[in-house]
Amino acid sequence: EVQLVESGGNLVQPGRSLRLSCAASGFNFDDYAMHWVRQAPGKGLEWVSGISWNSGHIAYADSVKGRFTISRENAKNSLYLQMNSLTSEDTALYYCARGDQKWLPYNWFDPWGQGTLVTVSS
Amino acid sequence: EIVLTQSPGSLSLSPGERATLSCRASQSVSSSHLAWYQQKPGQAPRLLIYGASNRATGIPDRFSGSGSGTDFTLTISRLEPEDFAVYYCQQYGSSSWTFGQGTKVEIK
Repeated sequence: EVQLVESGGNLVQPGRSLRLSCAASGFNFDDYAMHWVRQAPGKGLEWVSGISWNSGHIAYADSVKGRFTISRENAKNSLYLQMNSLTSEDTALYYCARGDQKWLPYNWFDPWGQGTLVTVSS
Repeated sequence: EIVLTQSPGSLSLSPGERATLSCRASQSVSSSHLAWYQQKPGQAPRLLIYGASNRATGIPDRFSGSGSGTDFTLTISRLEPEDFAVYYCQQYGSSSWTFGQGTKVEIK
């Protein structure tokens, strides 16, 4: 069974950092691009970042560019999101999602993990 | 950035009725790179449709997608109780991904 399990969410003060992880199982992790998508409480979906199978192609939403860093470790079937300089606008449930192919362009997302909650508040 | 506008914002229907959801893009979506997702309360989104009209694995055939260019539609032919949820469209262009704001399908 394909499974994505996020972890690392927490309550953090504005300006601080947090690192999210996503553990993948049930498929060949290095055959797929991976993404982070977030959902603020009661709001819609916002794509955050994506990474190709070999980390050779990375993309970020403008809202997080320069503050967030996506990475992956294929040997550990793991995806990460390093989040720095957090603000209240970053408060959301963060999902990891698998792209439909190795490379970044033109991915749809399937499946999604259950998400990990990041709350930025003093 | 391509902006997606979904309409209506909410839809109140009875089981067995037909639901028609619209997604309009601010510019043409290349090669019909448009997907639809379903999200139920407390759950992660689930892929329904990709490539504007292709059903994902395991999705019942009462769900269908159509459209091209800037206008896309998700149709649920006969609503089942489990179909009441929020639906999002997404465009997946060249390293750019945006979602519509969602349409909530509620039980009348």
